[in-house]
Amino acid sequence: QKEVEQDPGPLSVPEGAIVSLNCTYSNSAFQYFMWYRQYSRKGPELLMYTYSSGNKEDGRFTAQVDKSSKYISLFIRDSQPSDSATYLCAMSAGTGGFKTIFGAGTRLFVKA
Amino acid sequence: DADVTQTPRNRITKTGKRIMLECSQTKGHDRMYWYRQDPGLGLRLIYYSFDVKDINKGEISDGYSVSRQAQAKFSLSLESAIPNQTALYFCATSDPTEIGNTIYFGEGSWLTVV
Repeated sequence: QKEVEQDPGPLSVPEGAIVSLNCTYSNSAFQYFMWYRQYSRKGPELLMYTYSSGNKEDGRFTAQVDKSSKYISLFIRDSQPSDSATYLCAMSAGTGGFKTIFGAGTRLFVKA
Repeated sequence: DADVTQTPRNRITKTGKRIMLECSQTKGHDRMYWYRQDPGLGLRLIYYSFDVKDINKGEISDGYSVSRQAQAKFSLSLESAIPNQTALYFCATSDPTEIGNTIYFGEGSWLTVV
């Protein structure tokens, strides 16, 4: 079993839809939870960062962490064609990039 | 200009050939990484380096070697390339004191081994 499981999609939604992206994990030591966005032929870029459980909102994006269920989510409100990308969840037990485990990524297409 | 620059961006090579991927960064970070990305498998760590004199194996180091020539330069070599090393390779950096655990990636190097 992988430490981090993420449905690769693809997920196709109409413009304006609410998008829900999810990951599950098995390592209860994970404390830091991240979402990276990767456009085609580009490197991933950090989109959201959350420490421990709870919600974090940034504009149209909301990250949720439920440590009791070992489940994290990223919600995108009022989705736009420019949101079309691959979204990778990532998590680690401590600081330092070498400890970060990435999900496989979910490809999202937002149709105009 | 990108903070993390990789060369070449695309390369096709033959089985058994030696290939080097180069990376340079302008972020001033001590920590540098090489990742491999495959469909369905996500990003997997090949090697990482905390400073010029420090090299550490990651999850999938077999068949790869690295060299940290300077704080800003970290290269990845495939001594004898094989087809299952066909993948997208990313160089990255991070600062452990930076809130957010951010890893900064280059734009990637597409490597095809035929």
